[in-house]
Amino acid sequence: KAGVTQTPRYLIKTRGQQVTLSCSPISGHRSVSWYQQTPGQGLQFLFEYFSETQRNKGNFPGRFSGRQFSNSRSEMNVSTLELGDSALYLCASSLEKGPAQYFGPGTRLTVL
Amino acid sequence: DQQVKQNSPSLSVQEGRISILNCDYTNSMFDYFLWYKKYPAEGPTFLISISSIKDKNEDGRFTVFLNKSAKHLSLHIVPSQPGDSAVYFCAASAYGNKLVFGAGTILRVKS
Repeated sequence: KAGVTQTPRYLIKTRGQQVTLSCSPISGHRSVSWYQQTPGQGLQFLFEYFSETQRNKGNFPGRFSGRQFSNSRSEMNVSTLELGDSALYLCASSLEKGPAQYFGPGTRLTVL
Repeated sequence: DQQVKQNSPSLSVQEGRISILNCDYTNSMFDYFLWYKKYPAEGPTFLISISSIKDKNEDGRFTVFLNKSAKHLSLHIVPSQPGDSAVYFCAASAYGNKLVFGAGTILRVKS
């Protein structure tokens, strides 16, 4: 089976812009979760989608949003980018109720 | 509030010997614990998990031990190989797919 894919792999944006990241889960996986990794905060949960519905949410501001499509592919959006949003954004997919989540390679976002 | 802690930032082990990575947690509601390995510029790779109703789970060279009374788990790698050199993350979940991660431990296996 193909693994989790994420596009783009690298992205450079400037403050105030918005960005959309894409994730395609492993075939048959209906749960998609998003995580942010930074040197200071480590790996932090953003949100989880299952059957096109947000099922769980972390402690991030409303500038961070996501959605899931009927084919389980997911996108996350960050509006009004701040310098502190520079991070590796990881997508993970799993069966309905994990526990194992399988991660993609991530999207490295740099905000200038 | 760090619910999952990995107190050792790094660990160095000789090839062929045992590597023991430790993790402590504070939330009694966690029902699954997982270990991931991460290489630079890649996403975390799932290694092994354990349910809170068990105290041991083995998969090849990897064994995870869970001590619920001490809120402590450990990952044993035997024998350690140079390819095991990576960052290891402990993670936990409470009745869902929200994983809470520790800060990670850098493992270096010397040949």
